[in-house]
Amino acid sequence: AQSVTQPDIHITVSEGASLELRCNYSYGATPYLFWYVQSPGQGLQLLLKYFSGDTLVQGIKGFEAEFKRSQSSFNLRKPSVHWSDAAEYFCAVENTGGFKTIFGAGTRLFVKA
Amino acid sequence: NAGVTQTPKFQVLKTGQSMTLQCAQDMNHNSMYWYRQDPGMGLRLIYYSASEGTTDKGEVPNGYNVSRLNKREFSLRLESAAPSQTSVYFCASSAPGTGGAGELFFGEGSRLTVL
Repeated sequence: AQSVTQPDIHITVSEGASLELRCNYSYGATPYLFWYVQSPGQGLQLLLKYFSGDTLVQGIKGFEAEFKRSQSSFNLRKPSVHWSDAAEYFCAVENTGGFKTIFGAGTRLFVKA
Repeated sequence: NAGVTQTPKFQVLKTGQSMTLQCAQDMNHNSMYWYRQDPGMGLRLIYYSASEGTTDKGEVPNGYNVSRLNKREFSLRLESAAPSQTSVYFCASSAPGTGGAGELFFGEGSRLTVL
């Protein structure tokens, strides 16, 4: 069965520091991969997605993610974190051609001044 | 452009009561979804409707029913609420083109408490 693992429940980084959020997935074929962000009291918003092609994908708000098939990973990165990036981040995988997007448990990001 | 609108935003029920969560989207999307979000568990798919006239079970369908009323609207019904259904419920929609769900557009959520 498909699964998504986000090993870090929460992460704290200093404003201006770099960020990497980890995501590992379990799926037989090449899946569609997503990162979503959720601000408190809000719904989820798409940051970026990978369907095929270039394994380094750029998203909104300066985020990027790299698909590594050999490691079954899709880690999210940002070179310099801003206080407004404090939120919860969800990695998700969709079985290609299906409608059942599976979400990880989420990583809450805290940003300290 | 409202996107995905859910009502109500907050609801408190007693065990055994019934209620319906309403969802409407104005993006002309074919597919619609209901998820629940619980602490430490991410989002879990309850039901989805790939297109108007169809509905299918997700990961956690027990205790819920859905109706795809038309292309815009997708409702979630709890016939006899239980405390285990205390959660935040999200409706989402997506457009065709990728052959699957693709990017999901979410509403702001409905917080349900069952006493």
